[in-house]
Amino acid sequence: NAGVTQTPKFQVLKTGQSMTLQCAQDMNHNSMYWYRQDPGMGLRLIYYSASEGTTDKGEVPNGYNVSRLNKREFSLRLESAAPSQTSVYFCASRLAGTDTGELFFGEGSRLTVL
Amino acid sequence: RKEVEQDPGPFNVPEGATVAFNCTYSNSASQSFFWYRQDCRKEPKLLMSVYSSGNEDGRFTAQLNRASQYISLLIRDSKLSDSATYLCVVNMGNTGGFKTIFGAGTRLFVKA
Repeated sequence: NAGVTQTPKFQVLKTGQSMTLQCAQDMNHNSMYWYRQDPGMGLRLIYYSASEGTTDKGEVPNGYNVSRLNKREFSLRLESAAPSQTSVYFCASRLAGTDTGELFFGEGSRLTVL
Repeated sequence: RKEVEQDPGPFNVPEGATVAFNCTYSNSASQSFFWYRQDCRKEPKLLMSVYSSGNEDGRFTAQLNRASQYISLLIRDSKLSDSATYLCVVNMGNTGGFKTIFGAGTRLFVKA
């Protein structure tokens, strides 16, 4: 089972460049999430999509945009990358937005902005 | 004050030792609680849920103390393979929705 798949796994950008992180899940989950993880801090929610067709801001949305392309796919875009966006990004999914159960994570995307 | 706080460690223990981690949370309306495990440079994965009555899964025991607003994880007979970061996760919210808050994690090193 693939579960949650993220691409790319590694990326180096220069300040001001743009890029899109792709995420797809094959578990028929309704809710999808984008987190960033920085040293010494817990995972912080960037954006989430409770269901297909909806997206909402999380704790740290500035500098990011998202698209819920369909039920399977949820992409994260950096329009003009900044060094502060150097981080590890995780996509996750959950059965439903009202479900307080398990989050399933992708393997992560390591982004460095120079 | 952080909504979910953990001792970052690291905890360095020999194989076979018993080790315990605590996690405190600030919101008394918190609804559900979990421990996730994260290996170095990997994604977090659910280790176990934490139930009000306490629960055990093999060598792992999780407990919840709502009065003092903390959860704990006890690992008995530690194995080398237990070396990882353990994340405390709390779902807090109300009828309008909830949010999932992650602690920064406690690092465990088990040595031979």
